[in-house]
Amino acid sequence: NAGVTQTPKFQVLKTGQSMTLQCAQDMNHNSMYWYRQDPGMGLRLIYYSASEGTTDKGEVPNGYNVSRLNKREFSLRLESAAPSQTSVYFCASSEARTQYFGPGTRLLVL
Amino acid sequence: RKEVEQDPGPFNVPEGATVAFNCTYSNSASQSFFWYRQDCRKEPKLLMSVYSSGNEDGRFTAQLNRASQYISLLIRDSKLSDSATYLCVPNAGNNRKLIWGLGTSLAVNP
Repeated sequence: NAGVTQTPKFQVLKTGQSMTLQCAQDMNHNSMYWYRQDPGMGLRLIYYSASEGTTDKGEVPNGYNVSRLNKREFSLRLESAAPSQTSVYFCASSEARTQYFGPGTRLLVL
Repeated sequence: RKEVEQDPGPFNVPEGATVAFNCTYSNSASQSFFWYRQDCRKEPKLLMSVYSSGNEDGRFTAQLNRASQYISLLIRDSKLSDSATYLCVPNAGNNRKLIWGLGTSLAVNP
């Protein structure tokens, strides 16, 4: 039982490049989330998916897109990376209101 | 008023000490409350859920005062491994979103 897994662990991009962050959970949870965490700031919600087939914007969705591929997988795409998107990205899943997190992806945009 | 407020610390305590963290939240519609811990550069991990007026799990005791919109966490017999940031996390009313602040930093010293 791996819980929530994320790939890649680290990534360096140049401005304008695109990439997709992958997230998968094996806990059969309906809800999944993408957050970013920057120094001196709390976790900020980018997008969430209450159930398979649905996605909604969080507080900082600009510059990102998401896909809820199936119940297990929820991916985050940066179409044209910007230095302001340098951050640590966490994926989480939940049943009821308790959220469980993946280990994070550290992204540096140059 | 911030949605969730905690003393950022750092709290520096010796091993074996008892330490208490306080938290206030502004959303009176919050129904679920959690304490998470986050180690440096790692993902948040659920420490405990807080139901009704409080909850106890081993050395950890959480108390909830809905009238004052106040939550506390007491750690007894502190261990070196308790060094982390502790996040008080209420939910955002009647939905699955959680409200994340900056947390309180704890350093337990030998």
